[in-house]
Amino acid sequence: DTGVSQNPRHKITKRGQNVTFRCDPISEHNRLYWYRQTLGQGPEFLTYFQNEAQLEKSRLLSDRFSAERPKGSFSTLEIQRTEQGDSAMYLCASSSQGLGTQYFGPGTRLLVL
Amino acid sequence: QKEVEQDPGPLSVPEGAIVSLNCTYSNSAFQYFMWYRQYSRKGPELLMYTYSSGNKEDGRFTAQVDKSSKYISLFIRDSQPSDSATYLCAIAQGGSEKLVFGKGTKLTVNP
Repeated sequence: DTGVSQNPRHKITKRGQNVTFRCDPISEHNRLYWYRQTLGQGPEFLTYFQNEAQLEKSRLLSDRFSAERPKGSFSTLEIQRTEQGDSAMYLCASSSQGLGTQYFGPGTRLLVL
Repeated sequence: QKEVEQDPGPLSVPEGAIVSLNCTYSNSAFQYFMWYRQYSRKGPELLMYTYSSGNKEDGRFTAQVDKSSKYISLFIRDSQPSDSATYLCAIAQGGSEKLVFGKGTKLTVNP
């Protein structure tokens, strides 16, 4: 295992559809994070899991967004009723030590038409 | 006022130049400071991590933190074309796992 993996890498959907992204962290990393990055901006924090517990959530994570990490390994991020403003790169990161030592995956690029 | 300010550039330098990248932050509660490198259409890659004022060196990279001025810097010596990327500063408070990122500075090193 060489790093964090994310699937799919690209997703095009129509407004109003639901989408789900998957993140597989580095093996034995108990911390997992989701961020969103729009063009020309740095990543913005969405949520954080330690094992299966969701411990922090950003106000950016509206009720259309839900994230899970059911067995403390992989995580899913679902967006319901997508809007054009949801178009962004969705990044997943994992860590064993927390704080600054977060290692990012390649991201899932979402385009909502 | 944004929590982290970073000049987006772009910055263009000749190969071999010393590059200086900077960020300022507004909240003195921030204690942890990181620099990430992001190539086009890729995820950010952790370059440097520090939690104290002063300098930290790793090869051609030096991270500098001045907590009294709320100012952080990344220096790249002997820059190479392969260093061409967007450089993101990121900060975090103690007790929170949330990283707050700057906008990123796009760097081009010309051969």
